[in-house]
Amino acid sequence: DQQVKQNSPSLSVQEGRISILNCDYTNSMFDYFLWYKKYPAEGPTFLISISSIKDKNEDGRFTVFLNKSAKHLSLHIVPSQPGDSAVYFCAASPSGTYKYIFGTGTRLKVLA
Amino acid sequence: DTAVSQTPKYLVTQMGNDKSIKCEQNLGHDTMYWYKQDSKKFLKIMFSYNNKELIINETVPNRFSPKSPDKAHLNLHINSLELGDSAVYFCASSQFPRDSNYGYTFGSGTRLTVV
Repeated sequence: DQQVKQNSPSLSVQEGRISILNCDYTNSMFDYFLWYKKYPAEGPTFLISISSIKDKNEDGRFTVFLNKSAKHLSLHIVPSQPGDSAVYFCAASPSGTYKYIFGTGTRLKVLA
Repeated sequence: DTAVSQTPKYLVTQMGNDKSIKCEQNLGHDTMYWYKQDSKKFLKIMFSYNNKELIINETVPNRFSPKSPDKAHLNLHINSLELGDSAVYFCASSQFPRDSNYGYTFGSGTRLTVV
């Protein structure tokens, strides 16, 4: 039962353009959401988070949007750079628990 | 000066063996985790310790046993290894359980192959 879904396994974007990575969830009890980036042979690296009381959080080139009614969040990267090429995971945590549940990731390739 | 270090990085072993993976963090974090990433790329929580106390114990075979001698270390011991245990195991730490400000700091993973 996959509660956090990243339905696009891969995405290619031209350098300088916007990258939009999507994540859907099924559990309405999720109240914190995180995005991680992962390079090959390395562990995931924390990027940005959002709580369910917000609908947007911005950090430099990275913005996360949360649509609670649609149970959907997205990560926008503007402008995209070749160094952004990596696998991106979204993760969600149910209220009252200590754990995060991860999606299966989307591989982003930024073309120079 | 690695923040979360796991050893070994690669581990190839035969079915039925017992093996351990070690994890150490030098960030002063109170909480540590073990995650398993299987062949389908699912990253699943296995265990978490906060100040040496077990706070997450997901449904994993009891052949897997975590041990936290102090809050900077969390080791994973696996008995009677099976083919299905082959995966990448990630250790992680955070200042607080479910830290939403800074997330987790992950180690680089241990690729376990059972033959």
